[in-house]
This record gives sequence, structure tokens and C-alpha cells, in this order.
Amino acid sequence: GQQLNQSPQSMFIQEGEDVSMNCTSSSIFNTWLWYKQDPGEGPVLLIALYKAGELTSNGRLTAQFGITRKDSFLNISASIPSDVGIYFCAGSPSGNTPLVFGKGTRLSVIA
Amino acid sequence: NAGVMQNPRHLVRRRGQEARLRCSPMKGHSHVYWYRQLPEEGLKFMVYLQKENIIDESGMPKERFSAEFPKEGPSILRIQQVVRGDSAAYFCASSPSVRGNQPQHFGDGTRLSIL
Repeated sequence: GQQLNQSPQSMFIQEGEDVSMNCTSSSIFNTWLWYKQDPGEGPVLLIALYKAGELTSNGRLTAQFGITRKDSFLNISASIPSDVGIYFCAGSPSGNTPLVFGKGTRLSVIA
Repeated sequence: NAGVMQNPRHLVRRRGQEARLRCSPMKGHSHVYWYRQLPEEGLKFMVYLQKENIIDESGMPKERFSAEFPKEGPSILRIQQVVRGDSAAYFCASSPSVRGNQPQHFGDGTRLSIL
């Protein structure tokens, strides 16, 4: 089946640093989504990408849909303590088909 | 996660009992998806439903698991004769329609524990 490889698995960074994480897939996706999950809660949508090469920002977050349609990255600039959580990439062949999730990147921010 | 409502938030069952998980999608959303999450893992797709129809159940075990999304009321994920391995967080997501680029929004999940 389709798989997403997400890296790194975990990160420990100082407050104020920039963060970068990425996701690669074994097959082409036409939708890439990035979610953040806090303990005991559901995933919250951060950024949605629908076109190859698309670069989209949401505040301090920036994500890109890779030109090959098999990868995406998420950058967080000037990290703050509330950025702590698990970040998941998710993809699907088309907009409303079921999502395939990566295993997540666990971000810890040291104040 | 305002909008997608799941209940109960926590459910404890003994082996052999039935578990019923409910999901009310966001207002105006007619597509519902159920996912399962084990500790330290990403979410795994189980079943995709529209009102009164199962569209894709390829991720749902053939035995003991069933799902419905009736014309009126919430979507229900039912697990019969639960076993320890069913312990997980179950998340529901919803989206408006098949047209356009409309991402899935998730509820806060039901954490199922099997004693």
C-alpha cells in the first residue's frame, strides 16, 4: 500500500530557531496536508497544498508541494514554546479520497 | 477542532463487549472518514462514508467492525466482541463534498481502552 516517510522522527530545538521537516511518498499524491496534534486532541489542519510546486504560508509556517508530487516539506520559523507537538504530513491521490499519514515529527522547544 | 464532534471522549470496555463510537460531522459536511491511531503512530484509514452509503471500507477489518452514516443522526463506528488489540484512539474527519479542494477536518477522537 501507499506509504509516507516522514523525517525527522523527533526534534529538540531552542526557542527562536527555525525548523524543517519533510515527507516523501512511494507514489504520486495530488493533495498534501500538514496537521499538528497536541496530546489528547485530534489533528488540526495547518496547511493544505493542491498543486505541484505550490508554496503556501500560514503565519510562521511555510509548506511546499514538491514538483515530483512525491514529497512535501514544512518549515516553522522563529519557533515558540506553543509549537511543541506532533506534526503529521498526509496525502491523498485526490481531494476527497482517504488520507495516508506519515508517522509524525515530535517537536520539542526548549525555552 | 470546533465542528466535528465525537463522543464519548473516553470509552472503557471489557473483552467481548461492544463499543459504539459516534461522530457528528461539521455543519454542511456530508462525507465522513474514520481513522485509527495507535500510540506513537500516524493515523490509519478505516472507512469512508457519505450519507447512507459506504464508499470505501478497505481499511476496516472484515469481522467485528461496522460503520454507518444514516440519513439522520451521527455516524457510528461499531466494534463487536472487542479484544485488547482494539485499544486505540479512533478519529473521525469530515469534508463538504467531492468537488474542489476541501480538506478533512478532525474531531478530538474517542480513546478506547479494553480491559
